Amino acid sequence: QKEVEQNSGPLSVPEGAIASLNCTYSDRGSQSFFWYRQYSGKSPELIMFIYSNGDKEDGRFTAQLNKASQYVSLLIRDSQPSDSATYLCAVEGSQGNLIFGKGTKLSVKP
Amino acid sequence: KAGVTQTPRYLIKTRGQQVTLSCSPISGHRSVSWYQQTPGQGLQFLFEYFSETQRNKGNFPGRFSGRQFSNSRSEMNVSTLELGDSALYLCASSLINGVLNTEAFFGQGTRLTVV
Repeated sequence: QKEVEQNSGPLSVPEGAIASLNCTYSDRGSQSFFWYRQYSGKSPELIMFIYSNGDKEDGRFTAQLNKASQYVSLLIRDSQPSDSATYLCAVEGSQGNLIFGKGTKLSVKP
Repeated sequence: KAGVTQTPRYLIKTRGQQVTLSCSPISGHRSVSWYQQTPGQGLQFLFEYFSETQRNKGNFPGRFSGRQFSNSRSEMNVSTLELGDSALYLCASSLINGVLNTEAFFGQGTRLTVV
């Protein structure tokens, strides 16, 4: 059973700090990795995707991938209260579907 | 460009009834996937359709079925509803399926409550 594991949190950070969200996956053959943000009562929204080892930056967001360690992370710099949401890590399964972690709830305190 | 549209947004059904949910993908997207989201289990994959064919299926009972039409719109049906089917049902559309670069965009979901 392919799995994606995330710390459920809640992760609480002060406004302006760096939030670090982590995810591990079990299928060593996985190639595509995604981070979604989900506000309470809303549907998941794609933030970033990453396919290659290393870092990928987009504005205040940086995704990091380490395939050897089967680890993917999302860093949010200069965290804002509007970043408070549940962050879902997803890995593309061998049949093309997405396998989701259960999400980490992030709370950014003003 | 219109996003993924799901209808209805909310449904209340009685145990034993059946329900049909609809999803219209982003224009040009041929892959439609369905997910069930519950607080306990998170997001779980139901099935995926591409060019009117079911390509992938998750571990759900046969009461859950779906189909896709020639215009890529998809429907999901749940028969003999159980209380445990109460969940947010999400549809996601993708431009490419089964290869790298699969970026899935979600609709707003249908909140199903079974009483």
